[in-house]
Amino acid sequence: DSGVTQTPKHLITATGQRVTLRCSPRSGDLSVYWYQQSLDQGLQFLIQYYNGEERAKGNILERFSAQQFPDLHSELNLSSLELGDSALYFCASSTGSHNSPLHFGNGTRLTVT
Amino acid sequence: EDQVTQSPEALRLQEGESSSLNCSYTVSGLRGLFWYRQDPGKGPEFLFTLYSAGEEKEKERLKATLTKKESFLHITAPKPEDSATYLCAVQARGTGNQFYFGTGTSLTVIP
Repeated sequence: DSGVTQTPKHLITATGQRVTLRCSPRSGDLSVYWYQQSLDQGLQFLIQYYNGEERAKGNILERFSAQQFPDLHSELNLSSLELGDSALYFCASSTGSHNSPLHFGNGTRLTVT
Repeated sequence: EDQVTQSPEALRLQEGESSSLNCSYTVSGLRGLFWYRQDPGKGPEFLFTLYSAGEEKEKERLKATLTKKESFLHITAPKPEDSATYLCAVQARGTGNQFYFGTGTSLTVIP
């Protein structure tokens, strides 16, 4: 158990809808990262937060947004969903120090129909 | 541009047949190289961090090594439960704390 909790585990929704994915980092970790993993593809970095502030953005679509709250949990909001958004969405946390590894949750599997 | 390339994409081994997975990287300055194991439908599980050329880390049947341009994950006498996708990632200087992941090697160990 990595200590990173993601909810829900599965989400099925229709095109055009909006969903929110939630992540609770490991105790003591200040940094949260979001990744997307489509079928047979690698991990695509979306966005990073550190102690409530956005630190870096990757290939995140304008339809997607995220935030990290004062209690350090994070939410990833996906709107105007398209079929191609179907994927596994992972949250990872780290202490935020250099060389500190990422610890991943077990993901939210999003299916857009 | 910082890049991470893993090879082979897929590897099938007989139980007990040792082999190595490769992770080649091109970064402006390596802060750390990380190995992960990912089972289907699960999040990547952290295995090792390597910081400098010549460093080695071991865990059970796995041993990771690092040179200035690549890392190897050696699997000695693998068992079927070692079947998984193995990912490597690098963290580069000057990029904040960004991690660049390879696409992984899918390992299947046949009993």
